Amino acid sequence: KNEVEQSPQNLTAQEGEFITINCSYSVGISALHWLQQHPGGGIVSLFMLSSGKKKHGRLIATINIQEKHSSLHITASHPRDSAVYICAVGGADGLTFGKGTHLIIQP
Amino acid sequence: NAGVTQTPKFRILKIGQSMTLQCTQDMNHNYMYWYRQDPGMGLKLIYYSVGAGITDKGEVPNGYNVSRSTTEDFPLRLELAAPSQTSVYFCASRSFTEAFFGQGTRLTVV
Repeated sequence: KNEVEQSPQNLTAQEGEFITINCSYSVGISALHWLQQHPGGGIVSLFMLSSGKKKHGRLIATINIQEKHSSLHITASHPRDSAVYICAVGGADGLTFGKGTHLIIQP
Repeated sequence: NAGVTQTPKFRILKIGQSMTLQCTQDMNHNYMYWYRQDPGMGLKLIYYSVGAGITDKGEVPNGYNVSRSTTEDFPLRLELAAPSQTSVYFCASRSFTEAFFGQGTRLTVV
């Protein structure tokens, strides 16, 4: 069974700061997902990665398959980025999730 | 496209009652999933399906049942509800490049 660890668990930053959230997993995978969840809200997929790097707007996700590690970066952070960011790994038989990183961006 | 649609959004059940959480997707995805999310914990897989007529247990299947008679629909049945089933439930589907989640069902068993 894969174990997924995220760090930090909580992060408070000022608007405009560069944010990094880390994810490590214990067993080799076919794909890694980064998800976003707003308080009381649904879950939105940000990225699905199997290798390398992906960028969407101010969000960048990277993965190092050999080291079993992924990072999610947010550039020029904004209060609307405040949310829980969740890392998940797995394939067709379902995902294993980290506990999430609770991010607050203060104006 | 509506994506993944779950109903109801909220429900309060009494211990021992039964209910069905509905999930439908309009993206023609073969893979569908039910997860539960408890405070302070990562989401956990209850059941999944890789296509119509095929279902399999996930990590926490006890107390639940599913069926997959069509590609679109993947209902989750709770029999004899227990307080331990108080949780937020998410239905999801996936393509080869992305996962899609419903808005969640907040269930309280009292």
